[in-house]
Amino acid sequence: DTGVSQNPRHKITKRGQNVTFRCDPISEHNRLYWYRQTLGQGPEFLTYFQNEAQLEKSRLLSDRFSAERPKGSFSTLEIQRTEQGDSAMYLCASSAPRDRGYNEQFFGPGTRLTVL
Amino acid sequence: AQTVTQSQPEMSVQEAETVTLSCTYDTSESDYYLFWYKQPPSRQMILVIRQEAYKQQNATENRFSVNFQKAAKSFSLKISDSQLGDAAMYFCAYTSGTYKYIFGTGTRLKVLA
Repeated sequence: DTGVSQNPRHKITKRGQNVTFRCDPISEHNRLYWYRQTLGQGPEFLTYFQNEAQLEKSRLLSDRFSAERPKGSFSTLEIQRTEQGDSAMYLCASSAPRDRGYNEQFFGPGTRLTVL
Repeated sequence: AQTVTQSQPEMSVQEAETVTLSCTYDTSESDYYLFWYKQPPSRQMILVIRQEAYKQQNATENRFSVNFQKAAKSFSLKISDSQLGDAAMYFCAYTSGTYKYIFGTGTRLKVLA
């Protein structure tokens, strides 16, 4: 088990461009989460998948953001028409089916997005 | 809405000494879970310790322990015998049945040699 992986680790783009990030969760984990972390802040929840179903989306996730998890395996997060305010670290996490009453989330290393 | 507050942006501790990081939260739920995560510079977040709200006993993991005061909605982390490798951002997090985590703003811990 190699843990949660995210690609790319760093992305620099110009304002107005589209970007796509990928997250590969731990293989047996059915839940996958996306968070955004800006400098000096804690991660903020964006969206969550159980298998391939997107069950919850934060109000932070504007219509320029879209996330998918085809076949319940890896997930992609796309940002269209990027803005400078989108610059942040995008974190992915995964968790196993609920066990013993809680779900521990395992985090990936993140993708740092810089929008020029 | 649930909130998590970490009022200490930065803390320092001498190597081998003990430090306590504070966290308060607000919720109307009775069943929830609290966590402390560590985020070293440029590295991914890892779980330090967890606490189930229904358990009265405070969780401990080696040098890490919590002081969970449910009525006061307080969840502090004590690090004993601090080591240089403990230097990191520490985040307090809350989750209930919705599964998403709500994080505090973090405390940067510096360990002085």
